[in-house]
Amino acid sequence: DAGVIQSPRHEVTEMGQEVTLRCKPISGHNSLFWYRQTMMRGLELLIYFNNNVPIDDSGMPEDRFSAKMPNASFSTLKIQPSEPRDSAVYFCASRAGTTTYEQYFGPGTRLTVT
Amino acid sequence: GQQVMQIPQYQHVQEGEDFTTYCNSSTTLSNIQWYKQRPGGHPVFLIQLVKSGEVKKQKRLTFQFGEAKKNSSLHITATQTTDVGTYFCAGKKGEGNKLVFGAGTILRVKS
Repeated sequence: DAGVIQSPRHEVTEMGQEVTLRCKPISGHNSLFWYRQTMMRGLELLIYFNNNVPIDDSGMPEDRFSAKMPNASFSTLKIQPSEPRDSAVYFCASRAGTTTYEQYFGPGTRLTVT
Repeated sequence: GQQVMQIPQYQHVQEGEDFTTYCNSSTTLSNIQWYKQRPGGHPVFLIQLVKSGEVKKQKRLTFQFGEAKKNSSLHITATQTTDVGTYFCAGKKGEGNKLVFGAGTILRVKS
């Protein structure tokens, strides 16, 4: 099993540019989560999907952030326009069904906005 | 909103000493999970506790869930350098899939 796959692993961009982060969950998992991790704010849940449907996006900072899950094997998190305060590590995690709650995290994308 | 407080923020121990991190919730949790994140890595699931007063062990790690299901602890006996990292608790309230993570405790082990 390849685990959760995220791309890119590192992204450096200039303020104002659009950034798209990608995630491929573990095959067969039906829940997908996007987290942001910073030293100041720790690990924050941004949004999660069940069966490709967004369930809770209360953690999305503002309208500049959007997430989609067009199918069970792919999700994107987009920031447009990006700002320096968006610099963080963004993790995607997936979870298998309703009988277990363990979340499997991807390796993360380290985003730097200059 | 639901908060999960975790203490201490940071602990530096001598190899062989014990280590404990504590997690407290403002509300009753349906379950609590513990994760470990190595420096530069991603969180990795360690264990889930569901029952009031539950105690689980994994080798040198002992996990407890409080009777009121509002607090939890992770104790490591005789720390080793391989234990270094950040330990997070994450609580779930009611139905749904949302976990609320504590701020984490950074463990450093001096050999």
